[in-house]
Amino acid sequence: AQTVTQSQPEMSVQEAETVTLSCTYDTSENNYYLFWYKQPPSRQMILVIRQEAYKQQNATENRFSVNFQKAAKSFSLKISDSQLGDTAMYFCAFRIRPIQGAQKLVFGQGTRLTINP
Amino acid sequence: DAGVIQSPRHEVTEMGQEVTLRCKLISGHNSLFWYRQTMMRGLELLIYFNNNVPIDDSGMPEDRFSAKMPNASFSTLKIQPSEPRDSAVYFCASSLVLVRRTDTQYFGPGTRLTVL
Repeated sequence: AQTVTQSQPEMSVQEAETVTLSCTYDTSENNYYLFWYKQPPSRQMILVIRQEAYKQQNATENRFSVNFQKAAKSFSLKISDSQLGDTAMYFCAFRIRPIQGAQKLVFGQGTRLTINP
Repeated sequence: DAGVIQSPRHEVTEMGQEVTLRCKLISGHNSLFWYRQTMMRGLELLIYFNNNVPIDDSGMPEDRFSAKMPNASFSTLKIQPSEPRDSAVYFCASSLVLVRRTDTQYFGPGTRLTVL
């Protein structure tokens, strides 16, 4: 079974600082996807960034980047120049890359990130 | 482009009543997912449809829950009879799933259900 673990229930940083959220996962699969979703107080689940396991290059989206360590099964999210609008719950999620069939996303328990002015 | 549309956004009902949640997929997508979010259990997949066909319903908690896709762009999740432990936020997500390519799941705004 696939599992996703986020070991930091809560984090808090000052505006403009850099923050890293950690995520580890467990799987015996070799082809899979990893995602970071953001859930602000509005409750909407918003895709932040995604990484395909067969790509060695770390994904980057503007101020958001990941450190993907496949051997260690680690997928951390780095937020640079943090902004007040980054305050949200952040979920790490995993999905196998199936030939057909299940498309199940497995989520971690989330990290509540607060950006302080 | 419109994203995933869910209705209602909030639902308060009494135990024993029937509840129907609705979801409209993103145009061009062929897969729909119903998730439930609670403090205790986090985000859980309830059921997944591909091309209107239920593929994985192993997460549906019990017979009180049922989901349908009457057409390619619309789905309902029904709880009958509802119980207080069904109180949660229910998300619908939409994706394009092909034989050798799988796109990202895009989530709707969710429906907050409270069963008194």
